[in-house]
Order: sequence, then C-alpha cells, then structure tokens
Amino acid sequence: QKEVEQNSGPLSVPEGAIASLNCTYSDRGSQSFFWYRQYSGKSPELIMFIYSNGDKEDGRFTAQLNKASQYVSLLIRDSQPSDSATYLCAVNLSQAGTALIFGKGTTLSVSS
Amino acid sequence: DVKVTQSSRYLVKRTGEKVFLECVQDMDHENMFWYRQDPGLGLRLIYFSYDVKMKEKGDIPEGYSVSREKKERFSLILESASTNQTSMYLCASSSTGTGLKSYEQYFGPGTRLTVT
Repeated sequence: QKEVEQNSGPLSVPEGAIASLNCTYSDRGSQSFFWYRQYSGKSPELIMFIYSNGDKEDGRFTAQLNKASQYVSLLIRDSQPSDSATYLCAVNLSQAGTALIFGKGTTLSVSS
Repeated sequence: DVKVTQSSRYLVKRTGEKVFLECVQDMDHENMFWYRQDPGLGLRLIYFSYDVKMKEKGDIPEGYSVSREKKERFSLILESASTNQTSMYLCASSSTGTGLKSYEQYFGPGTRLTVT
C-alpha cells in the first residue's frame, strides 16, 4: 500500500516566524510532488509543486525535495495569520497513471 | 484559470435514495477524479476517468458508480445512499499534458452530502 505521511499537528507558530511542514512517501517511483492548502470548509488549492531534487521558491513558500530520503517539505517564511489552514502533501503514484495519493494533512495555526 | 464546478454545495438525502453528484470542468482536461474527505481519514479516491466513457476504480469504490458521457462532465452516483456515505465530496481534474505537469489536479468547491 503506497502511503504519504504527514504529522497532523496542529503546528503553532507566531506571526513572522518560519513554518516547516514535512511529508514522507513510500513509492520510490514517484516523480511529482504537490502541496495543497485547504482552509476550513473549502476545497484544496494547489500552492506549490516540485519535480526535481532541491529547493523551489515561490514568494514566501519554498518546497524542498529529497528523493533519496523520500522526503518533501514546505517552508513558509514570514508566516501570517492568513496562512492558518491545513496543508496537504500529494504525490503521484508511479503505477497508477495520473492519480495522486494525498497525506492526511498538517494543520497550521499562525498566531498574531 | 481552471474552473471546476460542482452541482451543489450542500445536499441532504434520505437513506436508500439514488444520489447524483455532478462535476463540470471548462479547461478541456482529460482526467477527472472523485474523492471523499472525512475528518481523520483525509482525501480518499473513489473513481477516476482518463477519457470519455472510461473509468477506473480508486481506493474506495464500493457503493458508488460514475458516468462520463462528455469530456467536461463527470458524475458520481450513489445507487442507494447510506448514512456512512455522509461526507464532503470533491471533484478534481487534470490535463494529460506533457511530462510531469499532467499530475497537477485542480479541485471544485466540494459538495457536503448528508444522508439521514
């Protein structure tokens, strides 16, 4: 059974701090990795994707990928109360076409 | 921007009723997906489709069926609704583009279904 694991949280950080969200996956053949943000009562919104080892930066967000360790992370710099949400890690399944498998999500709370 | 719409935001049905959930995307995406999301269980894939009239079972297809007669529309059918099908249902779509971008999925707003 292919899996994506995330700490459920809540992860609590003060406003302006760096929030670090982590994800591990079991399918060594996975090539595409995604971070979705989901506000309470809303649907997931794609915020970052990464395909290559290393870092990818987009504004205050940085995705990091280490395929050897089967580990992907999301850093949020200068965290804002509006970043408070659940963050879902998603990974493609190498033997299942374009299907993704999602982690259960980490809840982030940013206090002002 | 990709737009995925779902027919209802909230739906209340009785046990045993046949329920149709509709999803429409306007970006000519080949791939469409139905998930349900429950507290503590995360997003679970019910069915997906790569093309018109094509369907594949996901992780939890029991009690559900799907229909895709047109490329832009993907319907989820609960043949005989039960209380354990009370959940948030999310539709998503993605393009069979080149390489790795084909995995990017975009979600509709969700339908919160309550079966009483």
